[in-house]
Amino acid sequence: DAGITQSPRHKVTETGTPVTLRCHQTENHRYMYWYRQDPGHGLRLIHYSYGVKDTDKGEVSDGYSVSRSKTEDFLLTLESATSSQTSVYFCAISESGGGTEAFFGQGTRLTVV
Amino acid sequence: GEDVEQSLFLSVREGDSSVINCTYTDSSSTYLYWYKQEPGAGLQLLTYIFSNMDMKQDQRLTVLLNKKDKHLSLRIADTQTGDSAIYFCARQSGAGSYQLTFGKGTKLSVIP
Repeated sequence: DAGITQSPRHKVTETGTPVTLRCHQTENHRYMYWYRQDPGHGLRLIHYSYGVKDTDKGEVSDGYSVSRSKTEDFLLTLESATSSQTSVYFCAISESGGGTEAFFGQGTRLTVV
Repeated sequence: GEDVEQSLFLSVREGDSSVINCTYTDSSSTYLYWYKQEPGAGLQLLTYIFSNMDMKQDQRLTVLLNKKDKHLSLRIADTQTGDSAIYFCARQSGAGSYQLTFGKGTKLSVIP
């Protein structure tokens, strides 16, 4: 299995609080991604990174920010969590951006109450 | 309609073949993927096909692509109970595109 670790695996937080999810990889892959998975929607891309300090928005980026200060870490921050951000969040990595296998982490289940 | 569409459920008997279908709207899709998700786990890439191919076979898995109809299928031969999972079709648009667009997933249930 590709070396991807997401932390925490589960979190319950209150509306309005900031939350940071961490994705750590040991594969030295250039590309990292954050997806959210919701019933009836499949997976949707939030943000992605194509290098250290290089990030861009995905399909559902509103309310989220990311940072990548090191190759191995990609952080997803909810500045002020809302109930609509209750979801399962998946990190993925890939060696290159096109047509190569993306490896997924185990997911973080976030509940905003 | 949705960008990538799949039926939500499929039930088959153990030993039979399963066929999971997917349609997509964007004809610029370069790579098309099938991912498998078991309960409580992340997504595992099963196979992918490049848009200039019609078929790809890998052991029990056969992928068929009809580019004209924008239809992709995954056939699992001799389906086993361990194949019970959610299967996602995904597409990647164009060279240099980093975004995968996923269908909502098809839940495959294998009846012993």
